[in-house]
Amino acid sequence: GPKVLQIPSHQIIDMGQMVTLNCDPVSNHLYFYWYKQILGQQMEFLVNFYNGKVMEKSKLFKDQFSVERPDGSYFTLKIQPTALEDSAVYFCASSSGGARDTLYFGAGTRLSVL
Amino acid sequence: GDSVTQTEGPVTVSESESLIINCTYSATSIAYPNLFWYVRYPGEGLQLLLKVITAGQKGSSRGFEATYNKETTSFHLQKASVQESDSAVYYCALVSDTNAYKVIFGKGTHLHVLP
Repeated sequence: GPKVLQIPSHQIIDMGQMVTLNCDPVSNHLYFYWYKQILGQQMEFLVNFYNGKVMEKSKLFKDQFSVERPDGSYFTLKIQPTALEDSAVYFCASSSGGARDTLYFGAGTRLSVL
Repeated sequence: GDSVTQTEGPVTVSESESLIINCTYSATSIAYPNLFWYVRYPGEGLQLLLKVITAGQKGSSRGFEATYNKETTSFHLQKASVQESDSAVYYCALVSDTNAYKVIFGKGTHLHVLP
């Protein structure tokens, strides 16, 4: 079936640095999502992005977070600066018609902030 | 807010045994949410297993089934005879009728099927 690719699978950075997580969504999908999962905890919604805009974000989506998809390329999540509590697995997803449609997920990027 | 509660894992069963993973939901809207089961196999991203958008209906896929029960606000996942290849993490989820921008997930249930 359709695949969502996340690059890299594991990223280690020092606290305070900037990090960009990349997601290659399913082609022709229009809705893009990021979720965050801390080890042993629930997978939490961060943000929904459609037509170049953030449609919905949670309180976990701090001011240090930003998303974009320039020119239909990768959908990215940038964290600047990073904090220790940002350590988690970040999952990207895409769908053709909103959250009621099937979401296709990547395998996740494990972010370790030291 | 809206939430999903499911069986805490890990759940371990032997091949060919029956399985039930419980899921209950809480939705703040007057209308009924859309309900889903997603599954994550080792090393892969979550994928949709089944979904039901109408209360009272049953969804099924790969031998799994779940019935949308609005009286008990439940959406339990069942399978009559599991296989070792069913070992994975299963997530119950909902999309609210009033907010179609996000899927709300349960904590996930890790299923181990012994050969």
